[in-house]
Amino acid sequence: QSVLTQPPSVSGAPRQRVTISCTGSSSNIGAGFDVHWYRQFPGTAPKLLIYENNNRPSGVPDRFSGSKSGTSASLAITGLQAEDEADYYCQSYDNSLSAPYVFGTGTKVTVL
Amino acid sequence: EVQLVESGGGLVKPGGSLRLSCAVSGFTFSDAWMTWVRQAPGKGLEWVGRIKSKVHGGTADYAAPVQGRFTISRDDSKSTVYLHMISLEAEDTAIYYCTANAGFYCIYWGQGALVTVSS
Repeated sequence: QSVLTQPPSVSGAPRQRVTISCTGSSSNIGAGFDVHWYRQFPGTAPKLLIYENNNRPSGVPDRFSGSKSGTSASLAITGLQAEDEADYYCQSYDNSLSAPYVFGTGTKVTVL
Repeated sequence: EVQLVESGGGLVKPGGSLRLSCAVSGFTFSDAWMTWVRQAPGKGLEWVGRIKSKVHGGTADYAAPVQGRFTISRDDSKSTVYLHMISLEAEDTAIYYCTANAGFYCIYWGQGALVTVSS
């Protein structure tokens, strides 16, 4: 079961900025553990998008950025493009459960 | 080029067993901690379990829903990680992804293997 909460969906027009929240607790994000983000296109495997809160793997455009504060984190997409339509998941580490890797509930981004 | 290729998925009856394999290339497998993540149809991602590298003990950890039924092992000579599943239940129906870890995140993902548990 997911212990990180994300909005089910967010939408925006092309070139707009959207943000996706990821809310955790004192045993994961609030304990200081890093947050990572993955993007998943329909019918394909997830792929790393942001690691350790605000770092982009090679090839990920700087339109994508991450931040973390307290028990929450956010992913921002600026200059929204049609190709950004996908599902986005946050992930962190949790020190209270038998499942140390915890994922968010996932957010569907729709470009209007 | 990094590649993780899962195999072994398929249809299995409730109570049955299945073994997934994940063959890795493109990085030093023996140094890598490997994780299995699953995704039920139309649902989100769920961590299944992880196996550490041999130098870190080679031990595995599991999520509560699969503890005692799933076993992760590795063969560094074949650059392959396995997920052996027994006593399968309908709730185990999912795409199973093999991933390579960097720190506490999944840096590389396989294409996934579909496991369907149904009579």
